[in-house]
Amino acid sequence: DAGITQSPRHKVTETGTPVTLRCHQTENHRYMYWYRQDPGHGLRLIHYSYGVKDTDKGEVSDGYSVSRSKTEDFLLTLESATSSQTSVYFCAISVIRDRTSGGAVYNEQFFGPGTRLTVL
Amino acid sequence: DAKTTQPNSMESNEEEPVHLPCNHSTISGTDYIHWYRQLPSQGPEYVIHGLTSNVNNRMASLAIAEDRKSSTLILHRATLRDAAVYYCILRELDNTDKLIFGTGTRLQVFP
Repeated sequence: DAGITQSPRHKVTETGTPVTLRCHQTENHRYMYWYRQDPGHGLRLIHYSYGVKDTDKGEVSDGYSVSRSKTEDFLLTLESATSSQTSVYFCAISVIRDRTSGGAVYNEQFFGPGTRLTVL
Repeated sequence: DAKTTQPNSMESNEEEPVHLPCNHSTISGTDYIHWYRQLPSQGPEYVIHGLTSNVNNRMASLAIAEDRKSSTLILHRATLRDAAVYYCILRELDNTDKLIFGTGTRLQVFP
C-alpha cells in the first residue's frame, strides 16, 4: 500500500465550517494528489503537489486549497464547506517502479483508503 | 487532455476471459495508456500500462491497436474478485504524472 494513510476516514460537518483532510505517506515520494469521487463519476483531480511548497490546481480546484510543508504530509482544506463538497476524497502518491520484464521504469499511483465527507 | 471512451458496464462469468475495450481516437504520440481498477469501497489500483506494444503482467494483458486509437484490457480468467470499475486513462508525458479519470467500465462477474 506504499505507506499512505488518510485522516479522518469519515467526517460529518455543517455548511460554512472549515475542514482539513490529511494525507500522510511514509516513503518520501515527491508527487502527491487529491481526488474526489462522486456517484456516477470517476475520480476528479482537485490539486496535486510535486514537492514541498510546490502545488498546482487540477480539474476541480474551486473551493479547495492545499498545503505541503513537509514531504510526508499533503493537506486539503475546504475553507467554508458546502453541500456540493459532500464526496469521497482520495489521496494518491506516485511511485517510480521498475518493469519486472525489463524496459523503462514507470510511475504508478497508489491510493489511500479514502475519506468520506458529508456536509449537511 | 485526450479523452477515452469505455462502455458503462460489462458482464462475465467466472473463469471466462474478459475483453474490456477503450477508444482513444485523439491520443497523441507520447500519451501512455494506463489501466486502473477500483474494487468496491477502495481506492483505485494500477493494473497495466503500455505505449505501443502489447503488454502482459500477472494481472492482465493489454492489447494496443496498431494506430493506437483503441486498446483492450484482457483478463484471461475472470474471478469474482475482478468485479470492479476499470478505468482506461491516457497519461501525458509531462512532469506531473497526473491521471485524468473517465467514468470507467463496471465489470460484473457471475459465479
